[in-house]
Amino acid sequence: IVMTQSPATLSVSPGERATLSCRASQSVGSNFAWYQQKPGQAPRLLIYDASIRATGIPARFSGSGSGTEFTLTISSLQSEDFAVYYCHQYNDWPRTFGHGTRVEI
Amino acid sequence: EVQLMESGGGLIQSGGSLRLSCVGSGFTFSSHAISWVRQGPGKWLEWLAYISGTGKTEHYEDSVRGRFTISRDNSKNTLYLQMNSLRVEDTAVYFCARSPYRDGWFGDYWGQGALVTVSS
Repeated sequence: IVMTQSPATLSVSPGERATLSCRASQSVGSNFAWYQQKPGQAPRLLIYDASIRATGIPARFSGSGSGTEFTLTISSLQSEDFAVYYCHQYNDWPRTFGHGTRVEI
Repeated sequence: EVQLMESGGGLIQSGGSLRLSCVGSGFTFSSHAISWVRQGPGKWLEWLAYISGTGKTEHYEDSVRGRFTISRDNSKNTLYLQMNSLRVEDTAVYFCARSPYRDGWFGDYWGQGALVTVSS
């Protein structure tokens, strides 16, 4: 299953809303996650089952969608949110990730 | 606190072998499936291999099937990745990542990664 993220880069000002998209080449139901990765760090799980925030993730992060179309929304960007975001399907093997959206200032 | 720590990375010549380890702590190791995921220089995440909590079920990505073998020793809280016939394109940071479940996988906790560099 190919995961296609858009845009590749998103330029946003602090305090603004950011909307990231991911499309799956076939339905993955709600078996879908979002991760955040900062330079030199491991990925961090943000959202799983398409819309459930992982432990400790702030409420400004929200996920939506099912089937083939998914969205991650960051309601008001904080300085620590500038990072690369990856989408991921876990409906089928092999597990696959998108190529990432870089959120920059 | 859940922790995963990889070790065993390094510089290896093309065609060589390397074994990575991942030690888990802060959770019941055998209750969680684990995968290896890698990230090439400046690239995205690539899932490689999966093993269930009991060790009875494995899955591999096509590009490593037959060359890489995932295994675990639950008595030592340790996951392994045996990598044979290494290629330059296997150069990457290798992460182990835990699933919240005994079977099936997405990564809820990740190690910091081990760098593997394959030279020609």
